[in-house]
This record gives sequence, structure tokens and C-alpha cells, in this order.
Amino acid sequence: QKEVEQNSGPLSVPEGAIASLNCTYSDRGSQSFFWYRQYSGKSPELIMFIYSNGDKEDGRFTAQLNKASQYVSLLIRDSQPSDSATYLCAVISAGNNRKLIWGLGTSLAVNP
Amino acid sequence: EAQVTQNPRYLITVTGKKLTVTCSQNMNHEYMSWYRQDPGLGLRQIYYSMNVEVTDKGDVPEGYKVSRKEKRNFPLILESPSPNQTSLYFCASSPLDATGRYYGYTFGSGTRLTVV
Repeated sequence: QKEVEQNSGPLSVPEGAIASLNCTYSDRGSQSFFWYRQYSGKSPELIMFIYSNGDKEDGRFTAQLNKASQYVSLLIRDSQPSDSATYLCAVISAGNNRKLIWGLGTSLAVNP
Repeated sequence: EAQVTQNPRYLITVTGKKLTVTCSQNMNHEYMSWYRQDPGLGLRQIYYSMNVEVTDKGDVPEGYKVSRKEKRNFPLILESPSPNQTSLYFCASSPLDATGRYYGYTFGSGTRLTVV
């Protein structure tokens, strides 16, 4: 069973701090990795995707991928209360069906 | 505005009464998918479609039907709803590159379905 694991949290950080969210995956052949943000009762919203090892930055968000260790992380710099949400990690498995495997999400609370 | 439009947003129905949840996207995306989201179970894929007239089962297809007659529309049909189909449903679409790689979903606003 191919899996994506996330700590459910809640992860609590003070406003202005760096929030670090982690995700591990079991399928070593996975190629594409996504981070989504979901506010309570709302639909998931794509934050970033990353395909290659290393870091990818977009504003206050940085995605980090380490395929050898099979983890992908999301860093949120200068965290704001508006960042309080559940963050979902999703991974596309290897193989022809290119199935998207979802983690259950990490709940982030940014405290003013 | 680029978007995925789902209707209705909320629906309460009775067991066995056929219903359709509509989904339409205006981004010319090839790939469309239906998910249900339940507490503790996360997002589970019901059906997906790689293009017009091409649909396939996801992880939890039992009790659902879909069709893809046009590129923009991907309705979800519950022929005989049951209480265990009470859930939050999302439609999503994504472009595909030449290799079939996703660029990430755009989700609809969701449909909260209650079957009594």
C-alpha cells in the first residue's frame, strides 16, 4: 500500500516564526509532490508543487524535496494567523496510472 | 475567472432518491476528478477522467457514476444514495503536460451532501 504520512498536529507556532511541515512517502519512484492548504469547511488550494530534489521558493513558502530520504517539507516564513489551516501533502505515485496519494494533513495554528 | 464550479453547495436528500452533482471547469483542463472527504479518512478519489469519454474508477467508486461527454463537464451521479454517502464532495481539474504529468488541481467549492 503506497502511503503518504503527515503528523496530524496541531502544530502551534507564534506569529512571525517559521512553520515547518513534513511529509514522508513510501513509493520510492514518486516523481511529483504537491502542497495544498485547506481552511476549515473550504476546498483545498494548491500552494506549491515540486518535482526535483532541493528547494523551491515562492514568496513566504519554501518546498524542500529529498528523494533519497523520501520526504518533502513545507516551510512558511513569517507565519501569519491567516496561515492557520490544514496543510495537505500529495504525491503522484510511479507507474502508468499516476495515482495521486494524499496525506491526511497537518493542522497549523499561528498564534498572534 | 478560471474556476471549477460545483452545484449544489448543500444538499439534503432521502435514501434512494437519485441525484446529480454538477461540475464544470472553464480552464480547458484534460483531467477531472471527484473526491469525497470524511473526518479521519482524508480525501478519497471516487472517479477520474483523463479526457472526454475516458473515465476510470478511483478508490471508492461503489454507488457512484460519472460521465464525461464534454471536456468542461464531469457530473457525479448517485443512483440510489445511502446514508454512508453523506460526505463533503469535491470536484477538481488539472491540466496535463505532454507526458501526462499533473500541474496540480484546482478544486471546486465543494458539495456537502446529507443522506437521511
